[in-house]
Amino acid sequence: AQSVAQPEDQVNVAEGNPLTVKCTYSVSGNPYLFWYVQYPNRGLQFLLKYITGDNLVKGSYGFEAEFNKSQTSFHLKKPSALVSDSALYFCAVRDVSRLGYIPTFGRGTSLIVHP
Amino acid sequence: DAGVTQSPTHLIKTRGQQVTLRCSPKSGHDTVSWYQQALGQGPQFIFQYYEEEERQRGNFPDRFSGHQYPNYSSELNVNALLLGDSALYLCASSPTASGNTIYFGEGSWLTVV
Repeated sequence: AQSVAQPEDQVNVAEGNPLTVKCTYSVSGNPYLFWYVQYPNRGLQFLLKYITGDNLVKGSYGFEAEFNKSQTSFHLKKPSALVSDSALYFCAVRDVSRLGYIPTFGRGTSLIVHP
Repeated sequence: DAGVTQSPTHLIKTRGQQVTLRCSPKSGHDTVSWYQQALGQGPQFIFQYYEEEERQRGNFPDRFSGHQYPNYSSELNVNALLLGDSALYLCASSPTASGNTIYFGEGSWLTVV
C-alpha cells in the first residue's frame, strides 16, 4: 500500500521569509513523488516531481523540494515567500512497482503568506 | 496547446437524479483518471480509463461509472445521487508512454440538494 501524510493543516509565513510545507510518505518499493498547488475554486496545478537522480528538485514559481529517503520525506520549500503563493498544496506519492499511474494524495496544507 | 478541459463547471442536482460529467484530455494524452475532492480533503481516485476500458478503480460504489471514447475523451456518470456526492470532480490525463505526471482540469462542482 502507498500513503502520504501532510502533518500540518495550515502553514503561516510572512512575505519574504522562507517557507516549508512538510510531506512524508510510505510505499513498499521506490517512490515517485509529486507536489501540486490548488488555488481557490480551481483544479490542481503540477509544481514538481521526484523520479530519480538529485535529491533536490526544482519546479515552477521558484519552488523546490528535497527528497530524503531515510526520513521518507519530500518537503516543499521556497527561499522567499510571496503573498500570491497563498494556496492549498498537495503532496502525492506513487509506488514505482505498481501498475498504472495512480498516485495517492495527501489531505493538503493551506499556505497563508502574510504581507 | 489546450490542457485538460471539463464540463460543466458547476451544476446542481436533486437526490436520486443522475449526472454526467465530461472531460477532454490534454493533447497527446490517452489515459484519463477521475477523482472526487470533497471539501477540505485531497483528491480521491475513482477510476482510470485507457483504450476505452476501465483499467483501475478506487473504492467507489457501482453508482459511479464511466466511459472513454476513441478520441480519448471521457465521461463520468453518477446514478442515484446522494447528498454526500456533493464535491469537486476532477479529471486528470497522462501520456501512457511516461505516465509519471498527471495533469488536472479545472473540475466540475457538483452540488446535490
